[in-house]
Amino acid sequence: GQQVMQIPQYQHVQEGEDFTTYCNSSTTLSNIQWYKQRPGGHPVFLIQLVKSGEVKKQKRLTFQFGEAKKNSSLHITATQTTDVGTYFCAGNSGYALNFGKGTSLLVTP
Amino acid sequence: GAVVSQHPSWVICKSGTSVKIECRSLDFQATTMFWYRQFPKQSLMLMATSNEGSKATYEQGVEKDKFLINHASLTLSTLTVTSAHPEDSSFYICSASRTSGSQTQYFGPGTRLLVL
Repeated sequence: GQQVMQIPQYQHVQEGEDFTTYCNSSTTLSNIQWYKQRPGGHPVFLIQLVKSGEVKKQKRLTFQFGEAKKNSSLHITATQTTDVGTYFCAGNSGYALNFGKGTSLLVTP
Repeated sequence: GAVVSQHPSWVICKSGTSVKIECRSLDFQATTMFWYRQFPKQSLMLMATSNEGSKATYEQGVEKDKFLINHASLTLSTLTVTSAHPEDSSFYICSASRTSGSQTQYFGPGTRLLVL
């Protein structure tokens, strides 16, 4: 079945540094979604990418969908302490979402 | 819009008792609801997918007689953990989707279950 791999598992940065998490699928995806889960909270939908090579931005967050629609990345520019949390990608096979294991981001002032 | 509630937010119960968790879509009709389980610092593990009015589809390794799911209406799904044991202690999260299967999922706040 479809597998979604996400790296790194953990990332610790100083405030102001950039951060990137990568997501790879074993199969071609119809779309990919990104979620953020704050410590102690529940996942919150961030964005969905549908088109091959699509790039979307939300303030300091840049989301990219690969040309082959099998990989994606989330890049945060100049991290802030409010960015702390676990970022999950979820690959859409057309039937169900398969979540990656998430990347936990810790930002220290 | 797209608010999902879960009740209770946390529950402590004795081993052997059953616990029911409710998941409600408050401002939209959810064709499909999903139940996840999350252990500390781990990813979301899909337990089952339920469509309104039909039987839930369970993921491999999830006991359907242990985790009873009822999706009686377009706004309510329930998960009952039967004869709970300490190893069932976890964070249970539901999500709801407006359409079947693969569209954006809106997550509830989760239910923390502790079985003593």
